[in-house]
Amino acid sequence: EIVLTQSPGTLSLSPGERATLSCRATQSVTSNYLAWYQQKLGQAPRLLIYGASIRATGIPDRFSGSGSGTDFTLTISRLEPEDFAVYYCHQYGTSPRNFGQGTRLEIK
Amino acid sequence: EVQLLESGGGLLQPGGSLRLSCAASGFTFSSFPMNWVRQAPGKGLEWVSGISGSGGSTYYADSVKGRFTIARDNSKNMLYLQMNSLRAEDTAVYYCAKDRSTTGWPYWNFDLWGRGTLVTVSS
Repeated sequence: EIVLTQSPGTLSLSPGERATLSCRATQSVTSNYLAWYQQKLGQAPRLLIYGASIRATGIPDRFSGSGSGTDFTLTISRLEPEDFAVYYCHQYGTSPRNFGQGTRLEIK
Repeated sequence: EVQLLESGGGLLQPGGSLRLSCAASGFTFSSFPMNWVRQAPGKGLEWVSGISGSGGSTYYADSVKGRFTIARDNSKNMLYLQMNSLRAEDTAVYYCAKDRSTTGWPYWNFDLWGRGTLVTVSS
């Protein structure tokens, strides 16, 4: 079973700053089948990135994904007020298709 | 409007049964695999079950295998989750989620989510 560990647990930044979120897997993620989701308080998750680096439809280009193998990164180039939320990574290459525990991005 | 709307959640005792429903609209339902993903209160996301576009293939997390059954009715644009032998650890918001795949077979990326329905299992 692949376990995903996200860091940091909480990230405190100000609007306009750059955010870097990490997702590390215990084994190599097959074909870089790694996705990122954003979840705002009281809302359903939203798909941001799949295939480690491909933005989903309608996602602003300030969101970018990178990485391969066991180390993946979600970068938000310039934080907007609406970006403060919880972010989950998800590996879907190997069953069980686990999610990470999440990183909370909060306003500093 | 493209949307998913879950229903059927509630409070029930351990060992009980419940059927969740998800009504889809605004897209060609039968073309897309569908899934259930849950989130325990204050916790992260857990994929529960998935089904191919035709309904011919189903998939389950080990935690629910043998207790939950996923099904779909493409003539009614409906997705279901029959939950039996419920446990306290099944308490969660259950989300219906559409797969990104257009082939009928799952990619396991979820690009449309409903608002969720809360299931509480407690004595």
